[in-house]
Amino acid sequence: AQSVTQLDSQVPVFEEAPVELRCNYSSSVSVYLFWYVQYPNQGLQLLLKYLSGSTLVKGINGFEAEFNKSQTSFHLRKPSVHISDTAEYFCAVIDTGFQKLVFGTGTRLLVSP
Amino acid sequence: DAGVIQSPRHEVTEMGQEVTLRCKPISGHNSLFWYRQTMMRGLELLIYFNNNVPIDDSGMPEDRFSAKMPNASFSTLKIQPSEPRDSAVYFCASSPGTSGETQYFGPGTRLLVL
Repeated sequence: AQSVTQLDSQVPVFEEAPVELRCNYSSSVSVYLFWYVQYPNQGLQLLLKYLSGSTLVKGINGFEAEFNKSQTSFHLRKPSVHISDTAEYFCAVIDTGFQKLVFGTGTRLLVSP
Repeated sequence: DAGVIQSPRHEVTEMGQEVTLRCKPISGHNSLFWYRQTMMRGLELLIYFNNNVPIDDSGMPEDRFSAKMPNASFSTLKIQPSEPRDSAVYFCASSPGTSGETQYFGPGTRLLVL
């Protein structure tokens, strides 16, 4: 069964600093990959997704992620974070041809002034 | 578009009572998903529907849980009888229908069973 590992449960960072949130998935078969963000007391919102093509994917709010098939990783990056980026970030994967999203445990990004 | 609508937003009930959570997917979306989020287990897929038909209910924890989708614009998740360990945030999501399509999440229902 597919699984997703987000090694960091919490990442503290200062405002305007760069950040990377790590995500690794288990399967080597063809997959689609997603990053979702959850602000307090809200549902999940899609940040970006990788389906095919360029391995560097750009999303909303200045975030980007790079798909690395050999390392089965899909790390999320932002060059300069804002206080408003404080939220929980979830990496998710679907096996191609299926619809069942498997989520990681989430990484809480804490941005301080 | 109003997005995925869930009701109620908060529910407090006593153990043994029946709880019904409601979801209205985005118009035109063919797939609907029910998730549960807890601190201990994270986000779990409970069940999903394609064109109102349940496709995979392997995530439904036990027989106390049931879900229906009588039409394309409405779904319910019912817990009967409820137990304290059912306390969680329940999310509904919808997507246009095919693999790789973005799932759009509702705001969730925060359930507390006393």
